[in-house]
Amino acid sequence: EAGVTQSPTHLIKTRGQQVTLRCSPISGHTSVYWYQQALGLGLQFLLWYDEGEERNRGNFPPRFSGRQFPNYSSELNVNALELEDSALYLCASSLEGARGYTFGSGTRLTVV
Amino acid sequence: KNEVEQSPQNLTAQEGEFITINCSYSVGISALHWLQQHPGGGIVSLFMLSSGKKKHGRLIATINIQEKHSSLHITASHPRDSAVYICAAMASGSRLTFGEGTQLTVNP
Repeated sequence: EAGVTQSPTHLIKTRGQQVTLRCSPISGHTSVYWYQQALGLGLQFLLWYDEGEERNRGNFPPRFSGRQFPNYSSELNVNALELEDSALYLCASSLEGARGYTFGSGTRLTVV
Repeated sequence: KNEVEQSPQNLTAQEGEFITINCSYSVGISALHWLQQHPGGGIVSLFMLSSGKKKHGRLIATINIQEKHSSLHITASHPRDSAVYICAAMASGSRLTFGEGTQLTVNP
């Protein structure tokens, strides 16, 4: 069974640009979560999507947004990139509640 | 004060030693996760606990709901166990709140 897949694995962007990160959950998982791990900091919750809807949002500015598609895959969009957005962005998927909670390998974003 | 606190922040052990990492949380939870993060960032979910104790190979995780405390134990530690171990509390809405992580280094 394929795990949670994220693309791209690495990305370099310039300050002010926009970026889209992608996540495909494990087959059958309906919930997708996005987390940010900035250098030297712990993991922070970004967004939770379930059945195509945004269920919860962490303490991040509106330029962080996303969506979930009918096939349960998800995109994370970050507009007007700032240097401090440089981080590892991790996606996780699960069945309802905590069952089968599985992380992807992450996308490492560098903003220069 | 963080909602999830881990100790120690850094831990160095000799191969074969018994290791304990502790996690305390201040929120009501539905489950607690122990995660392992290797250099490069990949995260593996080791355990999900809502009560009692779980064991997988040389890894043991326990949780005391009343005391809001969990521990991760590694028996007969090995250099390949070197990683960051993260405790994460699952409260309402299935979102995880993470501890700061414990950097474990096991020397041969």
